[in-house]
Amino acid sequence: GAGVSQSPRYKVAKRGQDVALRCDPISGHVSLFWYQQALGQGPEFLTYFQNEAQLDKSGLPSDRFFAERPEGSVSTLKIQRTQQEDSAVYLCASSLKGRSSYNSPLHFGNGTRLTVT
Amino acid sequence: GQQLNQSPQSMFIQEGEDVSMNCTSSSIFNTWLWYKQEPGEGPVLLIALYKAGELTSNGRLTAQFGITRKDSFLNISASIPSDVGIYFCAGHGSSNTGKLIFGQGTTLQVKP
Repeated sequence: GAGVSQSPRYKVAKRGQDVALRCDPISGHVSLFWYQQALGQGPEFLTYFQNEAQLDKSGLPSDRFFAERPEGSVSTLKIQRTQQEDSAVYLCASSLKGRSSYNSPLHFGNGTRLTVT
Repeated sequence: GQQLNQSPQSMFIQEGEDVSMNCTSSSIFNTWLWYKQEPGEGPVLLIALYKAGELTSNGRLTAQFGITRKDSFLNISASIPSDVGIYFCAGHGSSNTGKLIFGQGTTLQVKP
Protein backbone atom coordinates (compact mmCIF):
# COMPACT_ATOMS: atom_id res chain seq x y z
CA GLY A 1 0.00 0.00 0.00
CA ALA A 2 0.96 3.60 -0.41
CA GLY A 3 0.42 4.77 3.14
CA VAL A 4 1.39 3.90 6.69
CA SER A 5 -0.44 0.77 7.79
CA GLN A 6 -1.23 -0.08 11.40
CA SER A 7 -2.69 -3.23 12.88
CA PRO A 8 -4.87 -4.11 14.55
CA ARG A 9 -7.27 -1.19 14.12
CA TYR A 10 -8.92 -1.97 17.43
CA LYS A 11 -7.64 -3.89 20.43
CA VAL A 12 -9.45 -4.64 23.66
CA ALA A 13 -7.28 -5.94 26.46
CA LYS A 14 -8.00 -6.89 30.01
CA ARG A 15 -6.00 -5.07 32.61
CA GLY A 16 -2.70 -6.84 33.10
CA GLN A 17 -2.49 -8.31 29.62
CA ASP A 18 0.38 -7.61 27.24
CA VAL A 19 -0.36 -6.12 23.81
CA ALA A 20 1.67 -5.65 20.63
CA LEU A 21 0.82 -3.01 18.05
CA ARG A 22 2.29 -3.14 14.57
CA CYS A 23 3.29 -0.38 12.18
CA ASP A 24 4.23 -0.80 8.52
CA PRO A 25 5.74 2.51 7.40
CA ILE A 26 5.92 3.75 3.84
CA SER A 27 8.60 1.78 2.03
CA GLY A 28 11.97 3.49 2.13
CA HIS A 29 11.09 5.89 4.91
CA VAL A 30 13.99 6.40 7.27
CA SER A 31 12.22 7.91 10.25
CA LEU A 32 9.46 6.28 12.28
CA PHE A 33 7.58 7.80 15.18
CA TRP A 34 5.05 6.48 17.68
CA TYR A 35 2.50 8.82 19.23
CA GLN A 36 -0.20 8.31 21.86
CA GLN A 37 -3.47 10.20 21.47
CA ALA A 38 -5.87 10.29 24.39
CA LEU A 39 -9.52 11.10 23.75
CA GLY A 40 -9.96 14.79 22.97
CA GLN A 41 -6.24 15.51 23.01
CA GLY A 42 -3.49 16.05 20.50
CA PRO A 43 -0.99 13.29 19.76
CA GLU A 44 1.85 13.00 22.26
CA PHE A 45 5.28 11.79 21.25
CA LEU A 46 6.39 8.40 22.53
CA THR A 47 9.50 7.34 20.63
CA TYR A 48 11.52 7.83 17.45
CA PHE A 49 13.54 5.51 15.21
CA GLN A 50 15.98 6.39 12.48
CA ASN A 51 16.26 3.16 10.53
CA GLU A 52 16.71 0.48 13.21
CA ALA A 53 18.18 2.81 15.83
CA GLN A 54 15.90 4.09 18.57
CA LEU A 55 17.22 7.62 18.98
CA ASP A 56 14.64 9.06 21.32
CA LYS A 57 12.42 7.24 23.77
CA SER A 58 11.87 10.13 26.10
CA GLY A 59 8.10 10.04 25.64
CA LEU A 60 7.53 6.46 26.75
CA PRO A 61 5.42 6.82 29.90
CA SER A 62 6.85 3.87 31.81
CA ASP A 63 9.10 0.84 31.49
CA ARG A 64 6.01 -1.15 30.55
CA PHE A 65 6.26 0.42 27.10
CA PHE A 66 8.79 -0.96 24.66
CA ALA A 67 9.27 -0.33 20.95
CA GLU A 68 11.48 -1.95 18.36
CA ARG A 69 12.27 -1.71 14.66
CA PRO A 70 14.81 -4.48 14.21
CA GLU A 71 15.28 -4.30 10.43
CA GLY A 72 14.60 -0.63 9.95
CA SER A 73 11.16 -1.08 8.44
CA VAL A 74 8.27 -2.61 10.41
CA SER A 75 7.98 -1.47 14.02
CA THR A 76 6.20 -2.94 17.02
CA LEU A 77 5.05 -1.09 20.11
CA LYS A 78 4.61 -3.43 23.05
CA ILE A 79 2.81 -2.58 26.25
CA GLN A 80 3.21 -4.97 29.15
CA ARG A 81 0.75 -5.39 32.00
CA THR A 82 -1.70 -2.93 30.49
CA GLN A 83 -3.47 -0.44 32.74
CA GLN A 84 -6.69 1.48 32.15
CA GLU A 85 -4.73 4.71 31.64
CA ASP A 86 -3.08 3.10 28.63
CA SER A 87 -6.40 3.32 26.76
CA ALA A 88 -5.78 5.61 23.80
CA VAL A 89 -5.19 5.67 20.07
CA TYR A 90 -1.62 4.78 19.19
CA LEU A 91 -0.47 6.48 15.99
CA CYS A 92 2.53 5.59 13.91
CA ALA A 93 4.11 8.04 11.48
CA SER A 94 6.98 7.82 9.04
CA SER A 95 9.00 10.28 7.03
CA LEU A 96 11.42 9.91 4.17
CA LYS A 97 14.44 11.58 5.71
CA GLY A 98 16.36 11.42 8.94
CA ARG A 99 16.16 13.59 11.98
CA SER A 100 17.98 16.61 10.63
CA SER A 101 15.41 17.19 7.92
CA TYR A 102 12.63 19.34 9.25
CA ASN A 103 11.15 19.66 5.79
CA SER A 104 10.42 15.94 5.49
CA PRO A 105 6.72 15.69 6.33
CA LEU A 106 5.29 13.03 8.63
CA HIS A 107 2.77 10.61 7.17
CA PHE A 108 0.47 9.15 9.80
CA GLY A 109 -1.33 5.82 9.88
CA ASN A 110 -4.93 5.56 11.04
CA GLY A 111 -3.88 4.31 14.45
CA THR A 112 -4.73 1.43 16.75
CA ARG A 113 -7.46 2.17 19.29
CA LEU A 114 -6.54 0.35 22.50
CA THR A 115 -9.18 -0.11 25.17
CA VAL A 116 -8.11 -1.61 28.48
CA THR A 117 -10.97 -2.96 30.56
CA GLY B 1 8.75 20.41 28.12
CA GLN B 2 7.70 22.57 25.23
CA GLN B 3 3.97 23.03 24.81
CA LEU B 4 1.63 24.54 22.26
CA ASN B 5 -1.55 26.34 23.27
CA GLN B 6 -4.22 26.22 20.60
CA SER B 7 -7.38 28.29 20.44
CA PRO B 8 -10.25 28.24 20.19
CA GLN B 9 -10.97 24.77 21.49
CA SER B 10 -14.02 24.45 19.25
CA MET B 11 -15.93 26.42 16.64
CA PHE B 12 -19.40 26.04 15.20
CA ILE B 13 -19.89 28.14 12.09
CA GLN B 14 -22.18 28.60 9.14
CA GLU B 15 -21.16 27.33 5.73
CA GLY B 16 -19.46 30.11 3.77
CA GLU B 17 -17.96 31.83 6.80
CA ASP B 18 -14.25 32.36 7.26
CA VAL B 19 -12.46 30.66 10.14
CA SER B 20 -9.36 31.61 12.08
CA MET B 21 -7.50 29.61 14.68
CA ASN B 22 -4.12 30.10 16.29
CA CYS B 23 -1.38 28.48 18.23
CA THR B 24 1.09 30.00 20.67
CA SER B 25 4.08 28.84 22.63
CA SER B 26 6.27 30.26 25.35
CA SER B 27 9.35 28.96 23.54
CA ILE B 28 10.68 29.17 20.01
CA PHE B 29 9.71 26.61 17.39
CA ASN B 30 11.75 25.91 14.25
CA THR B 31 8.79 24.86 12.12
CA TRP B 32 5.04 25.14 12.32
CA LEU B 33 2.69 22.67 10.72
CA TRP B 34 -1.07 22.41 10.55
CA TYR B 35 -2.81 19.04 10.42
CA LYS B 36 -6.43 17.98 10.05
CA GLN B 37 -7.79 14.84 11.64
CA GLU B 38 -11.12 13.20 10.85
CA PRO B 39 -12.76 10.52 12.99
CA GLY B 40 -10.98 7.17 12.85
CA GLU B 41 -8.10 8.51 10.83
CA GLY B 42 -4.62 9.80 11.44
CA PRO B 43 -3.69 13.49 11.09
CA VAL B 44 -3.15 14.70 7.54
CA LEU B 45 -0.72 17.51 6.79
CA LEU B 46 -2.34 20.69 5.43
CA ILE B 47 0.39 23.29 5.48
CA ALA B 48 4.03 23.38 6.58
CA LEU B 49 5.90 26.56 7.48
CA TYR B 50 9.67 26.68 7.77
CA LYS B 51 10.68 30.33 8.11
CA ALA B 52 9.68 33.06 10.54
CA GLY B 53 7.25 35.41 8.84
CA GLU B 54 6.39 32.90 6.12
CA LEU B 55 2.85 33.08 4.77
CA THR B 56 1.68 30.03 2.82
CA SER B 57 -1.58 29.13 1.13
CA ASN B 58 -3.08 25.82 0.13
CA GLY B 59 -6.36 26.41 -1.66
CA ARG B 60 -8.76 28.05 0.80
CA LEU B 61 -6.25 27.60 3.64
CA THR B 62 -3.68 30.19 4.63
CA ALA B 63 -1.19 29.88 7.46
CA GLN B 64 1.55 32.09 8.82
CA PHE B 65 4.68 31.44 10.86
CA GLY B 66 4.89 34.22 13.43
CA ILE B 67 7.86 36.54 13.27
CA THR B 68 8.75 35.78 16.89
CA ARG B 69 8.69 32.03 16.07
CA LYS B 70 6.34 31.54 19.00
CA ASP B 71 3.01 31.55 17.20
CA SER B 72 1.15 30.60 14.05
CA PHE B 73 -2.35 31.01 12.69
CA LEU B 74 -4.49 29.11 10.22
CA ASN B 75 -7.31 30.73 8.25
CA ILE B 76 -9.93 28.87 6.25
CA SER B 77 -11.93 30.96 3.84
CA ALA B 78 -15.47 30.26 2.63
CA SER B 79 -15.91 27.16 4.77
CA ILE B 80 -17.71 24.11 3.39
CA PRO B 81 -19.19 21.09 5.21
CA SER B 82 -16.20 18.88 4.41
CA ASP B 83 -13.98 21.23 6.43
CA VAL B 84 -15.42 19.56 9.53
CA GLY B 85 -12.76 17.93 11.67
CA ILE B 86 -10.12 18.60 14.28
CA TYR B 87 -7.29 20.93 13.33
CA PHE B 88 -3.96 20.58 15.09
CA CYS B 89 -0.97 22.86 15.07
CA ALA B 90 2.36 21.16 15.52
CA GLY B 91 5.96 22.23 15.62
CA HIS B 92 9.53 21.13 15.84
CA GLY B 93 10.99 22.53 19.01
CA SER B 94 14.40 22.25 20.54
CA SER B 95 14.80 18.49 20.12
CA ASN B 96 17.03 17.41 17.26
CA THR B 97 15.20 14.15 16.67
CA GLY B 98 12.57 15.73 14.46
CA LYS B 99 9.74 14.89 16.81
CA LEU B 100 6.63 17.02 16.52
CA ILE B 101 4.87 18.61 19.45
CA PHE B 102 1.12 18.98 18.95
CA GLY B 103 -1.44 21.44 20.24
CA GLN B 104 -4.69 20.28 21.83
CA GLY B 105 -6.69 20.79 18.67
CA THR B 106 -9.56 22.99 17.43
CA THR B 107 -12.76 21.13 16.62
CA LEU B 108 -14.56 22.72 13.67
CA GLN B 109 -18.19 22.10 12.88
CA VAL B 110 -19.81 23.64 9.81
CA LYS B 111 -23.55 24.05 9.51
CA PRO B 112 -24.79 23.72 5.91
